[in-house]
This record gives sequence, structure tokens and C-alpha cells, in this order.
Amino acid sequence: EVQLVESGGGLVQPGGSLRLSCAASGFTFSSYEMNWVRQAPGKGLEWVSYISSSGSTIYYADSVKGRFTISRDNAKNSLYLQMNSLRAEDTAVYYCARGIAVAVNWFDPWGQGTLVTVSS
Amino acid sequence: DIQMTQSPSSLSASVGDRVTITCRASQSISSYLNWYQQKPGKAPKLLIYAASSLQSGVPSRFSGSGSGTDFTLTISSLQPEDFATYYCQQSYSTPRITFGPGTKVDIK
Repeated sequence: EVQLVESGGGLVQPGGSLRLSCAASGFTFSSYEMNWVRQAPGKGLEWVSYISSSGSTIYYADSVKGRFTISRDNAKNSLYLQMNSLRAEDTAVYYCARGIAVAVNWFDPWGQGTLVTVSS
Repeated sequence: DIQMTQSPSSLSASVGDRVTITCRASQSISSYLNWYQQKPGKAPKLLIYAASSLQSGVPSRFSGSGSGTDFTLTISSLQPEDFATYYCQQSYSTPRITFGPGTKVDIK
């Protein structure tokens, strides 16, 4: 079964840091692009970051550029999101999602999400 | 950035109803349009990719159509398990994809 499991969320003060992890299983992790998508409480979905299968190509949403760092360890089948200088507006459930690129790109599956709360 | 809009933002419907949700892109995105279903407290689930292709395991009562800037998701006969929020997503500007604001379908 293809599965993604996020961890690492929690309560952090403004200006603080947190590292999210996403453990992949059931597929050849090193062959797939990966993404982080977040959802603020009661709000819609916002793409956060992308990393290519090898890790050589990375993109960020403008809202997190310079503060967040995406990375992956293909030997450990794991995806990461290092979040620094956190702000209240970063409060959200963070999902990792596998990218499928066959002409048109889509996300499938998604992890169950991990909640990040930025508050003093 | 490509902006996505959805209408309506919410709707109330009964079991057995035909439901249509519209998604519009701010520029032409060809068929680079996907649909997701999200239930409360759960992760989004892929329903339709490339505007009209049904994801494996998704019931055939779901269908998608459109190209260019205008797209629709149709549920032919609404079932109790279909009450959820539906999001469209453009992948034309991959990897900088954007989502629509969502359409919440609840029970009438």
C-alpha cells in the first residue's frame, strides 16, 4: 500500500523553528517528485514547496521563500521541511503529497497531515 | 500566478441529486486541471486528473469535463459519502500549482 506519514508538528512560538518529516512506503520513493501543501484552519489548500526526485530541483511559494527548506533522503524514503522564522500565518495542517508527472501533473496520495501552531 | 475560482462556494443537495461544480482559470490551462475531495479532518483525495480522467477506485458517478479556462465536476447521483469539500487544482504552471477556494457540498 502506498503511504505517506507526516510527523514533527506542534506548538511553536513566533520566530521559532520546526522540522517536519514525511515517511514514504509502498513505492519507489526515489522515482517521484514530492510536495508540501498546507491548509490553515478553516481555509483552503496552499502549495508550499516542491522537490524533484533527485533533490536537485526545488521551488517554494513566495510566502515561505527564504524561511523554509525542503529536502529529501532517498536512502531513508523520507521528505523533510525545515521551517524557520515561523509566523502566526504559518499555522496550518501540513501535508506531504507525491507528485505524479504524466503530461499533466497531480498529487496522489497525500499524507494524513501534521498540525503546526505558531503562537505565543 | 494563475488564479482559480470555483462556484458555488457551497451548496446544499439531497441524496440522489445531480450536482455540478464549476472551476475557472484566469488564463488558459489546456487540460491541466485536477479535482480533489476532502472530508473533515482528512487529507484531500484525488478524484479526476487531466480534466476528465477518473482516478482508479473512484466511483463512476464522478465525472469531469472542460478545457482552456472553464471546467466542471459532476456528481451524477449524490451519495451520503459524497458530502465533502471539493477543490480544483491547476498544474499548468507546475510546480507552482494553485488550488481553487473549494466548494462545500452539504446535506439539504
